[in-house]
Amino acid sequence: DQQVKQNSPSLSVQEGRISILNCDYTNSMFDYFLWYKKYPAEGPTFLISISSIKDKNEDGRFTVFLNKSAKHLSLHIVPSQPGDSAVYFCAASDSGTYKYIFGTGTRLKVLA
Amino acid sequence: GAVVSQHPSRVICKSGTSVKIECRSLDFQATTMFWYRQFPKQSLMLMATSNEGSKATYEQGVEKDKFLINHASLTLSTLTVTSAHPEDSSFYICSASQPGLHNEQFFGPGTRLTVL
Repeated sequence: DQQVKQNSPSLSVQEGRISILNCDYTNSMFDYFLWYKKYPAEGPTFLISISSIKDKNEDGRFTVFLNKSAKHLSLHIVPSQPGDSAVYFCAASDSGTYKYIFGTGTRLKVLA
Repeated sequence: GAVVSQHPSRVICKSGTSVKIECRSLDFQATTMFWYRQFPKQSLMLMATSNEGSKATYEQGVEKDKFLINHASLTLSTLTVTSAHPEDSSFYICSASQPGLHNEQFFGPGTRLTVL
């Protein structure tokens, strides 16, 4: 049972445009959400996080939006750059266990 | 920032042998470390949670006798894959967390295990 899902396995975006990556979750106990960027054969690199008490968090080109009622979060990257090309994972956690449950990943390709 | 290292980065072994992977938190004390496994084009799957000085907690479907985890100090956790088989070939990633509001996890660079 996949508690965290990323329904788009891949996404292509033109350089300079906005990239929107989506993530859905089923467990209402999740109260902390994160986005990671990952290259093959490397560990995940933290990008941005959001607590369930917020609905938006922004850090430079990266913004994460959380819609608790829909159990949905999204990562916006604007403007997109070729160096953003990677696999992006969302992860969810609850304060009780502190375990991270990862989504299935979305491969982003930013075209120059 | 918090740095986590893993050693080795890549290992090839024969079927039936055991392989040990080390995970170290370099600049902080990690009360909890996590071990993940990633198969090609798949998600990171949590294998076990390791707390310093106590037995690891394994996720459902992960054999504790096959994947031995030791967390002997606040900066070191080891994962030993015993009697490795080709199906154990995977990318193993550890993370270490500091106590805090969300017990943020910091990830190591991963270890690529290939069992021949």
